[in-house]
Amino acid sequence: EVQLVQSGGGLVQPGGSLRLSCTGSGFTFKNYGLNWVRQAPGKGLEWISYIDTSGFTIYYADSVKGRFSISRDNVKNSLYLQMDSLRVEDAAMYYCARVGQLWSPGWFDPWGQGTLVTVSS
Amino acid sequence: LVLTQSPGTLSLSPGERATLYCRASQNIVSSYLAWYQQKPGQAPRLLIYGASTRATGIPDRFSGSGSGTDFTLTISRLEPEDFAVFFCHHYATPPQNTFGQGTKLEIK
Repeated sequence: EVQLVQSGGGLVQPGGSLRLSCTGSGFTFKNYGLNWVRQAPGKGLEWISYIDTSGFTIYYADSVKGRFSISRDNVKNSLYLQMDSLRVEDAAMYYCARVGQLWSPGWFDPWGQGTLVTVSS
Repeated sequence: LVLTQSPGTLSLSPGERATLYCRASQNIVSSYLAWYQQKPGQAPRLLIYGASTRATGIPDRFSGSGSGTDFTLTISRLEPEDFAVFFCHHYATPPQNTFGQGTKLEIK
């Protein structure tokens, strides 16, 4: 079964840091681009970051640029999101999502189960 | 590019036909448009990509159509498990990924 399993997340104070992880299985991890998408409570979906197969091409949404860092380890089949200088408005469910085909751009499939990030003092 | 979905909420009964709309503020090249279903407490699930291609395992009562700026997701005959929130998504070379704000399909 093709799947992404997430870990990390939790409660952090404003200005703090958190690292999210996402591990893929059931497919050749190194061959696919990957994304992070977040969803604030009761809100819609917001794309926040993309990394290509090699890890050399990376993009961020303006809302997180300079504070978040995406990376991947193709040996461990894992994707990461390092989140620094967290703000109250960063509180959301965070999803990792694979590009649905071997080249970009592509739809997102599958998605991880999500991990909740709460930013509060 | 902005995606605007309508209606915001759609109230229908099982067995009825549902039509959801997604309008883009600019022409979408190569029909790079996907639809996802999200149930409470779950991650989004891919339904349609390329505007009209059903994802693996998606029942044929789900269909997508459209091109350019206007796209439609149709559920021909609603089943109880279909009620959820639906998002359209323009997938483009990052950072141009854009999602619509969602349509909630609720039981009437």
